[in-house]
Amino acid sequence: GENVEQHPSTLSVQEGDSAVIKCTYSDSASNYFPWYKQELGKRPQLIIDIRSNVGEKKDQRIAVTLNKTAKHFSLHITETQPEDSAVYFCAASPAAGNKLTFGGGTRVLVKP
Amino acid sequence: GAVVSQHPSRVICKSGTSVKIECRSLDFQATTMFWYRQFPKQSLMLMATSNEGSKATYEQGVEKDKFLINHASLTLSTLTVTSAHPEDSSFYICSGWDNSNYGYTFGSGTRLTVV
Repeated sequence: GENVEQHPSTLSVQEGDSAVIKCTYSDSASNYFPWYKQELGKRPQLIIDIRSNVGEKKDQRIAVTLNKTAKHFSLHITETQPEDSAVYFCAASPAAGNKLTFGGGTRVLVKP
Repeated sequence: GAVVSQHPSRVICKSGTSVKIECRSLDFQATTMFWYRQFPKQSLMLMATSNEGSKATYEQGVEKDKFLINHASLTLSTLTVTSAHPEDSSFYICSGWDNSNYGYTFGSGTRLTVV
């Protein structure tokens, strides 16, 4: 089955700096890659997703890049703000609507 | 947007008893519901996939007789933790696929504590 590795497990950045989280996946059949933000005790919230026919996608301060050949994808957050502090999860799926396999999570702390 | 209502949000039960968790899709039909378990400071681990009107598909290592899943309608899926033990204490969360909005919608989660 699919295996998703996520790094780093913790990330501390100064407010205004950029944060980058990287994920690798094992199943070349995976085609859908969402990123979620989860605050303590809350449900995961989708922040951005990308499909395999696209190499990069951007939404304001958030961007995701995908390298299907290398089987890795990354989340980039620019101009970080304290409210960006949370746990971020990457995930992979053979197709949107199929089961998701999550990475181990990255705890991001943005210092004011 | 699409909403999945999950209840209860918190439950404390005695060891050996059973607990039922409900997930209702309020404004879309969830033909498929995914059930996850999340231990403190860990990731979401898929337990099973339930499909309306058919048997659930369990992930390797998940006991189907212990975690009973029912998906009797397009808007309701339930997870029953039978004969709960302290090691079953965890955050359980469901997720439905909303085809009209093309996205997964997560329930708010259930914090189960078995004492």
